[in-house]
Amino acid sequence: GAGVSQSPSNKVTEKGKDVELRCDPISGHTALYWYRQSLGQGLEFLIYFQGNSAPDKSGLPSDRFSAERTGGSVSTLTIQRTQQEDSAVYLCASSVKDRVHNEQFFGPGTRLTVL
Amino acid sequence: SQQGEEDPQALSIQEGENATMNCSYKTSINNLQWYRQNSGRGLVHLILIRSNEREKHSGRLRVTLDTSKKSSSLLITASRAADTASYFCAPPQGGSEKLVFGKGTKLTVNP
Repeated sequence: GAGVSQSPSNKVTEKGKDVELRCDPISGHTALYWYRQSLGQGLEFLIYFQGNSAPDKSGLPSDRFSAERTGGSVSTLTIQRTQQEDSAVYLCASSVKDRVHNEQFFGPGTRLTVL
Repeated sequence: SQQGEEDPQALSIQEGENATMNCSYKTSINNLQWYRQNSGRGLVHLILIRSNEREKHSGRLRVTLDTSKKSSSLLITASRAADTASYFCAPPQGGSEKLVFGKGTKLTVNP
């Protein structure tokens, strides 16, 4: 089937505005991950979902960041009152039911620019 | 926390040459994955090596794992310009599903 999709592919917003980033995982994948990658940097883990629950939110950088997942499928990452330092590529990945050897399948990312 | 750290940070070679990238990590793992990223977008899984494996091959890729040294290497043989990308190793953190990525090795293969 289709791979992981993310929307929008690019988002430009003004400082202080809220943004919503969407991730559609591969059908049947119960695990979903959000990462952030700043220019020239590695991937920074944000949050992990297993089904609709988030057992690991440890990477969310502040309370302006939140995420939810409904129906064990689509996930939305919301950033409130965006700041310039939030500018980055936000990547979503999914994998099959958690197991020891989990290969993660990544979406193309959303490039967020906060002016 | 657990982290994969790649070395070198950047590597430039000529087409046809081999490219070797190294990864070090800090704690015991049960597997380690390598990913590739083109143009700062989504990552693509390349290969997974289990802790009881010392070497694994996939096409032109060869991965080694030395758990005693907590290190892994990725070798790309007979490189092509299309291999130009950033390469990341990803050891899992503890026994979790959470992968921890380093900054990657940026490989440039010149035609």
